[in-house]
Amino acid sequence: KAGVTQTPRYLIKTRGQQVTLSCSPISGHRSVSWYQQTPGQGLQFLFEYFSETQRNKGNFPGRFSGRQFSNSRSEMNVSTLELGDSALYLCASSYLPSGGDLIRQSSYNEQFFGPGTRLTVL
Amino acid sequence: EDKVVQSPLSLVVHEGDTVTLNCSYEVTNFRSLLWYKQEKKAPTFLFMLTSSGIEKKSGRLSSILDKKELFSILNITATQTGDSAIYLCAADNNNDMRFGAGTRLTVKP
Repeated sequence: KAGVTQTPRYLIKTRGQQVTLSCSPISGHRSVSWYQQTPGQGLQFLFEYFSETQRNKGNFPGRFSGRQFSNSRSEMNVSTLELGDSALYLCASSYLPSGGDLIRQSSYNEQFFGPGTRLTVL
Repeated sequence: EDKVVQSPLSLVVHEGDTVTLNCSYEVTNFRSLLWYKQEKKAPTFLFMLTSSGIEKKSGRLSSILDKKELFSILNITATQTGDSAIYLCAADNNNDMRFGAGTRLTVKP
């Protein structure tokens, strides 16, 4: 089974530009979560999508948005880029969404991470 | 505010040593606690813990959760250089995942 894929893997943008990142979940997974990882802040939750609906959103400004398509692929968009947006953006897919019923077999709830997109804002 | 605190922040040991990593959490609507290992790439899942006192094991790694005292530990026995990584714990608060800052483990030959 193919893992979670993210494109592009590396990206360099300048301040004020906008960027769109893509994530393809594991086949059969309908939940996709996005995270930002920076040396200073660690791993922070951005948002989660399940069945094309945003279920949860972390504490990020409105410049960060996302969407999910009917095939469960998800995109994340950041508008008006700032220097502080430079980070590794990770997406993770799971079979079940957060807040759903826990199933004893943890693999249903396990999140599988993609390799990430490293964004550098100059 | 929900928070997850890991200790120590960094640890240097020699091959063969046993290490214990700590994770304490304060989250509303706690659902589960997860451990991840992160090397140079994305985190890989280690364990998910939902019940107190039940140890989960995978080879030389084991973990246990104490829901009364709100902490979890990750044990690694007979450490190897390949165990060198950042170990992250995260609490699922039924809304999102709150991650700790991680423990950077370095295992020297």
